[in-house]
Amino acid sequence: EPEVTQTPSHQVTQMGQEVILRCVPISNHLYFYWYRQILGQKVEFLVSFYNNEISEKSEIFDDQFSVERPDGSNFTLKIRSTKLEDSAMYFCASCGQGIAYEQYFGPGTRLTVT
Amino acid sequence: QKEVEQNSGPLSVPEGAIVSLNCTYSDRGSQSFFWYRQYSGKSPELIMFIYSNGDKEDGRFTAQLNKASQYVSLLIRDSQPSDSATYLCAVATGNQFYFGTGTSLTVIP
Repeated sequence: EPEVTQTPSHQVTQMGQEVILRCVPISNHLYFYWYRQILGQKVEFLVSFYNNEISEKSEIFDDQFSVERPDGSNFTLKIRSTKLEDSAMYFCASCGQGIAYEQYFGPGTRLTVT
Repeated sequence: QKEVEQNSGPLSVPEGAIVSLNCTYSDRGSQSFFWYRQYSGKSPELIMFIYSNGDKEDGRFTAQLNKASQYVSLLIRDSQPSDSATYLCAVATGNQFYFGTGTSLTVIP
């Protein structure tokens, strides 16, 4: 069964450093998403991506964040100048049909900023 | 600020019980509604989605949507210990998704 994959599973970085989180969506999916979940809190939408551009973004997704689809398979989230409060689980999701249909989540990357 | 509220938990029920999970949302423009299950330390897993008023059944699960009341619910019949998880309500407005804080459910064998 096709699945969304994410690497790395755990990333530890020092405050102020840049990190790139990687996702491989399901191959025939067209819509891609990033979410974060701070420990013990709710899942928060960051950004949606379609047709090689950002479709929607939340107020969390400021200039510190960027997304890219560098090739036909990868979807990346870059976080510049990380802060302690960026420590969270980051989930990638993909969807084949659009907003009314099913999103499939990857297993997540746990980001720890020290 | 778009809000998604879920009934407070945690809930603890005996195996075989019927469980009702409730969710209200603030944005009348919301178009699609989802129920996810999240096991501890894992990613959300889609159970059902619904976008028309009324009921939608899938096995032991029934989702109900009432747009006039801005309310969506999930009914779990014949609950099983494997249903023990946190249940997340999510609402889509455009291509943005808003999640509730979740309701923790424990099904006791």
